[in-house]
Amino acid sequence: DTEVTQTPKHLVMGMTNKKSLKCEQHMGHRAMYWYKQKAKKPPELMFVYSYEKLSINESVPSRFSPECPNSSLLNLHLHALQPEDSALYLCASSTGDGYGYTFGSGTRLTVV
Amino acid sequence: ILNVEQSPQSLHVQEGDSTNFTCSFPSSNFYALHWYRWETAKSPEALFVMTLNGDEKKKGRISATLNTKEGYSYLYIKGSQPEDSATYLCAFNSNTGNQFYFGTGTSLTVIP
Repeated sequence: DTEVTQTPKHLVMGMTNKKSLKCEQHMGHRAMYWYKQKAKKPPELMFVYSYEKLSINESVPSRFSPECPNSSLLNLHLHALQPEDSALYLCASSTGDGYGYTFGSGTRLTVV
Repeated sequence: ILNVEQSPQSLHVQEGDSTNFTCSFPSSNFYALHWYRWETAKSPEALFVMTLNGDEKKKGRISATLNTKEGYSYLYIKGSQPEDSATYLCAFNSNTGNQFYFGTGTSLTVIP
């Protein structure tokens, strides 16, 4: 299995809702990432997990809460989001040596 | 946050034309430069990972060159086909971290 699987592919949520995005890989990759991409902008790094521990948090608001329950799974818990948080959320994994990421196809999130 | 720029932002070419676009990145602390091809609603697909100054890589009709001293990489597509239509993203990672810094992408449309 050489894929990163993200679910759901699309999500619409209200500002008072709580929802979670899920990312899964079975390539034995030890680093996993969340990126946020707005239209016509480059993907922006949000979080990095290395060996299941949070190693980078790029000053992301606390309404986004990452979780890495095991080496294959990465979640992003969402609570009290704002309409400006609407974006494509991409997950990626890598062996951690900097030579290549494998991306998921993303979750298109709309906050209403 | 490192600045990675791509140009042009978008490009329309006729089928059969050859084309190229540019990725500019910081020339200091270079570790690797990556090219991805990204079709809508799909995962970004890795094209090349380039690490050495003067590297030239080829995959079918697509090739890329790397100049780490001046901080740029070119991606070339020979004899463009409609199926080449996609966004082409470059990503830079430095030797000081494990995260990618993405360019804004070049959106290529090949007109039959």
